[in-house]
Amino acid sequence: NAGVTQTPKFQVLKTGQSMTLQCAQDMNHEYMSWYRQDPGMGLRLIHYSVGAGITDQGEVPNGYNVSRSTTEDFPLRLLSAAPSQTSVYFCASSYSMTGSHSPLHFGNGTRLTVT
Amino acid sequence: DAKTTQPNSMESNEEEPVHLPCNHSTISGTDYIHWYRQLPSQGPEYVIHGLTSNVNNRMASLAIAEDRKSSTLILHRATLRDAAVYYCILQLDSGGGADGLTFGKGTHLIIQP
Repeated sequence: NAGVTQTPKFQVLKTGQSMTLQCAQDMNHEYMSWYRQDPGMGLRLIHYSVGAGITDQGEVPNGYNVSRSTTEDFPLRLLSAAPSQTSVYFCASSYSMTGSHSPLHFGNGTRLTVT
Repeated sequence: DAKTTQPNSMESNEEEPVHLPCNHSTISGTDYIHWYRQLPSQGPEYVIHGLTSNVNNRMASLAIAEDRKSSTLILHRATLRDAAVYYCILQLDSGGGADGLTFGKGTHLIIQP
């Protein structure tokens, strides 16, 4: 059982480049989300999805796009990378966000550096 | 949004119990209390959650105050592998993705051998 898989593990970008962070889960979870974590900080929600075809913004959505064409995949796109987007990105999934009995399952993160 | 307050760091000795406190004085009646932990270089992992009653699982116990304004995560016998950042989080029973889980800075637990 793979759980939540994030690729790549590490990435270095130049300012202005674009890229997609991949996230896949094999637990048939409806809810998926992206967080970023900066040094010494907690996690901040970027975007989330409550099911295929549905996405919404979290706390810090600017500079990021998402789509959810399948239940399994929830890619995060950086349109034009900026140094402020240097961070560790975590993808998480849950059976449902309605009700409280669905813990979030996290991937192991993508460490992104923008120079 | 209901928020939580945790100490920045705590230190304990290996094989001793650890009590990690969390204050949530503005908790509402439908908020569940969740605990996650984050080991170095890993994503957070779920530890335990509860509403009113104390809860036990294979990882830890959760003691919730009668007025629900505070809770304590109890690791019964800490090991070096328990060194992590522990997050206490309130989750609305109604869910809602944007407000579902807000991670603060958590408590950095240091375990001394």
